[in-house]
Amino acid sequence: QQQVKQSPQSLIVQKGGISIINCAYENTAFDYFPWYQQFPGKGPALLIAIRPDVSEKKEGRFTISFNKSAKQFSLHIMDSQPGDSATYFCAAATLETNAGKSTFGDGTTLTVKP
Amino acid sequence: KAGVTQTPRYLIKTRGQQVTLSCSPISGHRSVSWYQQTPGQGLQFLFEYFSETQRNKGNFPGRFSGRQFSNSRSEMNVSTLELGDSALYLCASTLTGHNEQFFGPGTRLTVL
Repeated sequence: QQQVKQSPQSLIVQKGGISIINCAYENTAFDYFPWYQQFPGKGPALLIAIRPDVSEKKEGRFTISFNKSAKQFSLHIMDSQPGDSATYFCAAATLETNAGKSTFGDGTTLTVKP
Repeated sequence: KAGVTQTPRYLIKTRGQQVTLSCSPISGHRSVSWYQQTPGQGLQFLFEYFSETQRNKGNFPGRFSGRQFSNSRSEMNVSTLELGDSALYLCASTLTGHNEQFFGPGTRLTVL
């Protein structure tokens, strides 16, 4: 049972454009939604995370939008740069009981063309 | 501050063998989680250890096991290796009371 569905699988964006990656979850017990960035040969690194008590969180060029009723959340990368080319994973966790256990989406390979 | 370290970085084994992977968390982090990453299945949670106790377990067969030592270092063991066990095995550590997981670079296991 895939509890976190991520789309698109791959994304090509021009430099300066906006990259948008979407995720949907099923388990309403999830209360922590992080996004990770992974470069080849490296482990995932936390980009930004959100709790369900807010609808949006922004950190620099990265913004998470969260829709609790639709059980969806998305990552927006503004002014995308070639250095942003990487694989992005959304994830979900239930902090109280499963803090160290995250359920990941399948990943989105982002390519930013110069 | 040193990050999460995993050894070895690369490993080649044959079917039927067993393997042990090691993870050293960031100093002060007591929670260590293990994940299997494959192109087809993405990142799948294996198990989590906290203070030498397994706190959470994913849906993997009993061939996959782990343990944590008093210094928070963790090992995972896979017995009777199968071709499908070829993957990148990632560990992540978390500071108590915080949410962020810090991942190591992974161990690339190839089963021939």
